[in-house]
Amino acid sequence: DAGVTQSPTHLIKTRGQQVTLRCSPKSGHDTVSWYQQALGQGPQFIFQYYEEEERQRGNFPDRFSGHQYPNYSSELNVNALLLGDSALYLCASSLPGRADTQYFGPGTRLTVL
Amino acid sequence: SQQGEEDPQALSIQEGENATMNCSYKTSINNLQWYRQNSGRGLVHLILIRSNEREKHSGRLRVTLDTSKKSSSLLITASRAADTASYFCATDVGSARQLTFGSGTQLTVLP
Repeated sequence: DAGVTQSPTHLIKTRGQQVTLRCSPKSGHDTVSWYQQALGQGPQFIFQYYEEEERQRGNFPDRFSGHQYPNYSSELNVNALLLGDSALYLCASSLPGRADTQYFGPGTRLTVL
Repeated sequence: SQQGEEDPQALSIQEGENATMNCSYKTSINNLQWYRQNSGRGLVHLILIRSNEREKHSGRLRVTLDTSKKSSSLLITASRAADTASYFCATDVGSARQLTFGSGTQLTVLP
């Protein structure tokens, strides 16, 4: 049983560009959450998707948007990249009705130059 | 914003010793969880303790929760070099089901 997968593993972009990160949840999981982890810090909640809709959102600007597909996979889009967006982006999935226990993917390392 | 704060920020011990990490948080919680992260990779869920529980064990891990002091501790017994990692506490608050993480404790276990 594959766990949570994310692509790509690493990404380098320049300021002002746009980026799309992808996540496939663990089998049987229907809820996907995204987190941003800056170097040396704990992860910060970006948003959570359930039934193809954004259910909760953290303190992130509208430049951060997402999508969930009918197969529960999800995308994180970031527009107008800033240097401060450089971070590890983590996706987590959870079972129906069990969003308290989240399983994390390996992350995508985004570097903005 | 960070709900939990871990203490100490860094801990270095010898293999075989016990490691204790502490977490403090600010608001009422549904549960508190501990995660491990190796070298900036994904987080691995270690243990969850609910707000009505005071102590929980899982293998070499022991977690305590004191809701009156809004604090938790993670004890790793008989540590191994493979336990070297960053450890984070995360709180689950209200109906949001979003996890709020602390800044982590970097544990180094020396062989």
